[in-house]
Amino acid sequence: DIVMTQSPDSLAVSLGERATINCKSSQSVLYSSNNKNYLAWYQQKPGQPPKLLIYWASTRGSGVPDRFSGSGSGTDFTLTISSLQAEDVAIYYCHHYYSVPWTFGQGTTVEIK
Amino acid sequence: EVQLVQSGAEVKKPGESLKISCKGSGYTFTSYWIGWVRQMPGKGLEWMGSIYPGDSDTRYSPSFQGQVTISVDKSITTAYLQWSSLKASDTAIYYCARHPGYTSGWAEYWGQGTPVTVSS
Repeated sequence: DIVMTQSPDSLAVSLGERATINCKSSQSVLYSSNNKNYLAWYQQKPGQPPKLLIYWASTRGSGVPDRFSGSGSGTDFTLTISSLQAEDVAIYYCHHYYSVPWTFGQGTTVEIK
Repeated sequence: EVQLVQSGAEVKKPGESLKISCKGSGYTFTSYWIGWVRQMPGKGLEWMGSIYPGDSDTRYSPSFQGQVTISVDKSITTAYLQWSSLKASDTAIYYCARHPGYTSGWAEYWGQGTPVTVSS
């Protein structure tokens, strides 16, 4: 199984400041034949299902604010919130869909400082 | 509007059977995969498996193979997740989610979740 490890487990950021979440996979999730990274990011707020933010490592989902961006390739990925808003308080998960079983990172909790 | 509407909360005893549902609407149900994701209390997300309603092709995570059954009734645009004998460790919220393809596992649309409690 590919293990997804996120860092940090939690972070507190001031409103308007940048938040950066890292995700490392135990093996590459870059498929060489199409040069795509099989990685997504989700946001989950309490009592709600996850919401898709990013897929193919850097493509924003429909309606996702442009303050959310994804980057990285191979085994190292980053989700960046460029200017944290109050509504961004949530748990964030990375997720690979490169091979079965698809797995998720353990989650990173983002709070307001 | 794409919607996935799941069946309601369940409280069961160990050893009982259960089948929960996920009804899709607002899109061509047979053209997208439906996956199931488990979230145990206070824990993260686990992909259990997915089914393609067009031909009922089903793929399971090895961790869940043999533990659950995923099925679909495309005539009523509904996918199912079932257990034949529940355990206390099956207590969790179960989400269905739509993803574009078996090699495109990102899920843009999610059901609201079905809480399942298994307790004697």
